[in-house]
Amino acid sequence: AQSVTQLDSHVSVSEGTPVLLRCNYSSSYSPSLFWYVQHPNKGLQLLLKYTSAATLVKGINGFEAEFKKSETSFHLTKPSAHMSDAAEYFCVVSGWGAQKLVFGQGTRLTINP
Amino acid sequence: SQTIHQWPATLVQPVGSPLSLECTVEGTSNPNLYWYRQAAGRGLQLLFYSVGIGQISSEVPQNLSASRPQDRQFILSSKKLLLSDSGFYLCAWSPGLAGVNEQFFGPGTRLTVL
Repeated sequence: AQSVTQLDSHVSVSEGTPVLLRCNYSSSYSPSLFWYVQHPNKGLQLLLKYTSAATLVKGINGFEAEFKKSETSFHLTKPSAHMSDAAEYFCVVSGWGAQKLVFGQGTRLTINP
Repeated sequence: SQTIHQWPATLVQPVGSPLSLECTVEGTSNPNLYWYRQAAGRGLQLLFYSVGIGQISSEVPQNLSASRPQDRQFILSSKKLLLSDSGFYLCAWSPGLAGVNEQFFGPGTRLTVL
Protein backbone atom coordinates (compact mmCIF):
# COMPACT_ATOMS: atom_id res chain seq x y z
CA ALA A 1 0.00 0.00 0.00
CA GLN A 2 1.08 3.55 -0.61
CA SER A 3 0.73 6.66 1.54
CA VAL A 4 2.04 10.18 1.45
CA THR A 5 2.61 12.79 4.16
CA GLN A 6 2.99 16.46 3.46
CA LEU A 7 4.92 17.79 6.41
CA ASP A 8 3.58 21.35 6.35
CA SER A 9 -0.05 22.36 5.99
CA HIS A 10 0.93 25.98 5.32
CA VAL A 11 4.15 27.58 4.06
CA SER A 12 4.67 31.32 3.77
CA VAL A 13 7.61 32.88 1.92
CA SER A 14 8.50 36.29 0.55
CA GLU A 15 8.49 36.97 -3.16
CA GLY A 16 11.92 36.25 -4.66
CA THR A 17 12.97 33.81 -1.92
CA PRO A 18 13.27 30.02 -2.29
CA VAL A 19 10.33 27.69 -1.86
CA LEU A 20 10.53 24.27 -0.17
CA LEU A 21 7.45 22.06 0.19
CA ARG A 22 8.16 18.78 1.94
CA CYS A 23 6.71 15.38 1.17
CA ASN A 24 7.47 11.90 2.51
CA TYR A 25 6.03 8.80 0.97
CA SER A 26 5.56 5.16 1.81
CA SER A 27 5.37 2.49 -0.85
CA SER A 28 5.88 -1.24 -0.85
CA TYR A 29 7.42 -1.11 -4.34
CA SER A 30 8.84 1.39 -6.79
CA PRO A 31 6.49 4.34 -6.72
CA SER A 32 5.40 6.92 -9.20
CA LEU A 33 5.39 10.34 -7.55
CA PHE A 34 3.73 13.55 -8.62
CA TRP A 35 3.22 17.13 -7.55
CA TYR A 36 0.03 18.91 -8.49
CA VAL A 37 -0.94 22.56 -7.98
CA GLN A 38 -4.43 23.90 -7.42
CA HIS A 39 -5.29 27.58 -7.61
CA PRO A 40 -8.47 28.71 -5.82
CA ASN A 41 -11.63 27.25 -7.29
CA LYS A 42 -9.70 25.58 -10.10
CA GLY A 43 -8.88 22.03 -11.06
CA LEU A 44 -5.50 20.44 -10.34
CA GLN A 45 -2.60 20.93 -12.72
CA LEU A 46 0.28 18.48 -12.98
CA LEU A 47 3.57 20.20 -12.07
CA LEU A 48 5.94 17.27 -12.46
CA LYS A 49 6.24 13.51 -12.15
CA TYR A 50 8.87 10.95 -11.17
CA THR A 51 8.74 7.49 -12.71
CA SER A 52 12.14 5.89 -11.91
CA ALA A 53 14.19 7.78 -14.46
CA ALA A 54 16.32 10.74 -13.28
CA THR A 55 16.02 11.42 -9.54
CA LEU A 56 15.93 15.19 -10.09
CA VAL A 57 12.74 16.03 -11.92
CA LYS A 58 12.11 19.38 -13.54
CA GLY A 59 8.57 20.63 -13.93
CA ILE A 60 6.68 23.61 -15.18
CA ASN A 61 7.00 27.18 -13.88
CA GLY A 62 10.53 26.64 -12.56
CA PHE A 63 9.64 23.96 -10.02
CA GLU A 64 11.68 20.83 -9.47
CA ALA A 65 11.67 17.88 -7.09
CA GLU A 66 14.27 15.36 -6.01
CA PHE A 67 13.48 11.72 -5.36
CA LYS A 68 15.50 10.41 -2.39
CA LYS A 69 14.84 6.74 -1.84
CA SER A 70 16.96 6.52 1.32
CA GLU A 71 14.89 9.27 2.92
CA THR A 72 11.60 8.30 1.23
CA SER A 73 11.18 11.94 0.33
CA PHE A 74 10.08 13.91 -2.72
CA HIS A 75 10.40 17.57 -1.77
CA LEU A 76 9.32 20.32 -4.16
CA THR A 77 11.54 23.37 -4.61
CA LYS A 78 11.74 26.58 -6.56
CA PRO A 79 14.67 29.01 -6.41
CA SER A 80 12.63 32.20 -6.44
CA ALA A 81 8.98 32.53 -5.51
CA HIS A 82 6.58 34.54 -7.60
CA MET A 83 3.24 35.95 -6.49
CA SER A 84 1.49 33.68 -8.99
CA ASP A 85 2.85 30.63 -7.12
CA ALA A 86 0.36 31.18 -4.30
CA ALA A 87 -1.81 28.06 -4.37
CA GLU A 88 -2.42 24.64 -2.80
CA TYR A 89 0.15 21.96 -3.63
CA PHE A 90 -0.49 18.22 -3.46
CA CYS A 91 2.10 15.47 -3.30
CA VAL A 92 0.79 12.25 -4.82
CA VAL A 93 2.04 8.65 -4.89
CA SER A 94 1.03 5.66 -6.92
CA GLY A 95 2.27 2.21 -7.63
CA TRP A 96 3.85 1.85 -11.08
CA GLY A 97 1.03 1.75 -13.59
CA ALA A 98 -1.61 1.64 -10.88
CA GLN A 99 -5.02 2.99 -11.70
CA LYS A 100 -5.44 5.03 -8.51
CA LEU A 101 -3.47 7.88 -6.99
CA VAL A 102 -2.99 8.56 -3.28
CA PHE A 103 -3.05 12.26 -2.41
CA GLY A 104 -1.46 14.09 0.48
CA GLN A 105 -3.54 16.55 2.45
CA GLY A 106 -2.02 19.52 0.66
CA THR A 107 0.26 22.44 1.53
CA ARG A 108 -1.03 25.95 1.14
CA LEU A 109 1.70 28.26 -0.17
CA THR A 110 1.39 31.95 0.58
CA ILE A 111 3.68 34.50 -1.08
CA ASN A 112 4.30 37.77 0.76
CA PRO A 113 5.13 40.87 -1.31
CA SER B 1 -4.58 17.67 -27.68
CA GLN B 2 -6.83 16.37 -24.93
CA THR B 3 -9.34 18.48 -23.04
CA ILE B 4 -11.72 17.70 -20.22
CA HIS B 5 -14.98 19.51 -19.58
CA GLN B 6 -17.23 19.62 -16.56
CA TRP B 7 -20.60 21.22 -16.12
CA PRO B 8 -22.15 22.98 -14.54
CA ALA B 9 -19.38 25.10 -13.01
CA THR B 10 -21.47 25.95 -9.96
CA LEU B 11 -24.69 24.54 -8.59
CA VAL B 12 -26.90 25.36 -5.63
CA GLN B 13 -29.44 22.67 -4.77
CA PRO B 14 -31.88 22.09 -1.91
CA VAL B 15 -31.57 19.08 0.38
CA GLY B 16 -33.44 16.11 -1.05
CA SER B 17 -33.19 17.22 -4.68
CA PRO B 18 -31.55 15.09 -7.39
CA LEU B 19 -28.10 15.71 -8.84
CA SER B 20 -26.44 15.15 -12.18
CA LEU B 21 -22.90 16.31 -12.94
CA GLU B 22 -21.36 15.61 -16.30
CA CYS B 23 -17.79 15.17 -17.43
CA THR B 24 -16.56 14.66 -20.97
CA VAL B 25 -13.09 14.15 -22.40
CA GLU B 26 -11.98 15.05 -25.92
CA GLY B 27 -8.97 13.97 -27.93
CA THR B 28 -8.38 10.51 -26.47
CA SER B 29 -9.89 7.05 -26.52
CA ASN B 30 -10.46 4.46 -23.79
CA PRO B 31 -9.42 6.73 -20.93
CA ASN B 32 -9.71 5.83 -17.28
CA LEU B 33 -12.14 8.27 -15.67
CA TYR B 34 -12.40 9.42 -12.06
CA TRP B 35 -14.71 11.43 -9.79
CA TYR B 36 -13.24 13.13 -6.72
CA ARG B 37 -14.78 15.30 -4.02
CA GLN B 38 -12.89 18.00 -2.20
CA ALA B 39 -14.50 19.32 0.97
CA ALA B 40 -13.60 22.81 2.13
CA GLY B 41 -10.00 22.98 3.33
CA ARG B 42 -9.41 19.28 2.83
CA GLY B 43 -7.71 16.96 0.41
CA LEU B 44 -9.20 14.93 -2.39
CA GLN B 45 -11.41 11.92 -1.82
CA LEU B 46 -11.78 9.43 -4.68
CA LEU B 47 -15.45 8.61 -5.16
CA PHE B 48 -15.60 6.48 -8.32
CA TYR B 49 -13.40 5.36 -11.17
CA SER B 50 -14.03 3.63 -14.45
CA VAL B 51 -11.77 1.72 -16.84
CA GLY B 52 -14.40 1.29 -19.55
CA ILE B 53 -18.02 1.78 -20.60
CA GLY B 54 -20.35 0.47 -17.93
CA GLN B 55 -17.48 -0.43 -15.58
CA ILE B 56 -17.70 1.55 -12.35
CA SER B 57 -15.75 1.04 -9.14
CA SER B 58 -17.01 2.73 -5.98
CA GLU B 59 -14.54 3.80 -3.35
CA VAL B 60 -16.79 5.06 -0.59
CA PRO B 61 -20.33 4.02 0.37
CA GLN B 62 -22.62 7.02 0.03
CA ASN B 63 -25.76 8.24 -1.66
CA LEU B 64 -23.94 9.08 -4.89
CA SER B 65 -23.66 6.93 -7.99
CA ALA B 66 -21.72 7.13 -11.24
CA SER B 67 -22.32 5.98 -14.78
CA ARG B 68 -20.31 5.83 -17.97
CA PRO B 69 -22.75 5.63 -20.88
CA GLN B 70 -20.12 6.46 -23.51
CA ASP B 71 -16.36 6.02 -23.74
CA ARG B 72 -15.56 9.62 -22.92
CA GLN B 73 -18.53 10.57 -20.74
CA PHE B 74 -18.74 10.16 -16.99
CA ILE B 75 -21.77 11.18 -14.94
CA LEU B 76 -22.13 11.63 -11.19
CA SER B 77 -25.66 11.38 -9.80
CA SER B 78 -27.72 11.39 -6.67
CA LYS B 79 -31.41 10.77 -6.12
CA LYS B 80 -31.58 12.85 -2.93
CA LEU B 81 -28.86 15.28 -1.91
CA LEU B 82 -27.66 15.63 1.68
CA LEU B 83 -26.07 18.69 3.28
CA SER B 84 -22.84 16.69 3.52
CA ASP B 85 -22.73 16.37 -0.28
CA SER B 86 -21.61 19.99 -0.57
CA GLY B 87 -18.12 20.36 -1.95
CA PHE B 88 -15.97 20.79 -5.01
CA TYR B 89 -16.33 17.89 -7.46
CA LEU B 90 -13.47 17.13 -9.80
CA CYS B 91 -13.42 14.82 -12.77
CA ALA B 92 -10.12 13.45 -14.04
CA TRP B 93 -8.86 11.19 -16.79
CA SER B 94 -5.74 9.14 -17.36
CA PRO B 95 -4.54 7.47 -20.55
CA GLY B 96 -5.20 3.94 -19.32
CA LEU B 97 -1.90 2.79 -20.81
CA ALA B 98 0.52 0.46 -19.06
CA GLY B 99 2.90 2.43 -16.86
CA VAL B 100 1.20 5.77 -17.51
CA ASN B 101 -0.90 6.76 -14.55
CA GLU B 102 -0.81 10.52 -14.20
CA GLN B 103 -4.26 12.05 -14.12
CA PHE B 104 -5.50 15.22 -15.75
CA PHE B 105 -8.22 17.20 -14.05
CA GLY B 106 -11.20 19.16 -15.20
CA PRO B 107 -12.11 22.64 -13.91
CA GLY B 108 -14.47 21.31 -11.24
CA THR B 109 -18.06 21.87 -10.13
CA ARG B 110 -18.81 23.77 -6.92
CA LEU B 111 -21.91 22.19 -5.33
CA THR B 112 -23.70 23.85 -2.45
CA VAL B 113 -26.56 21.98 -0.81
CA LEU B 114 -28.86 24.16 1.29
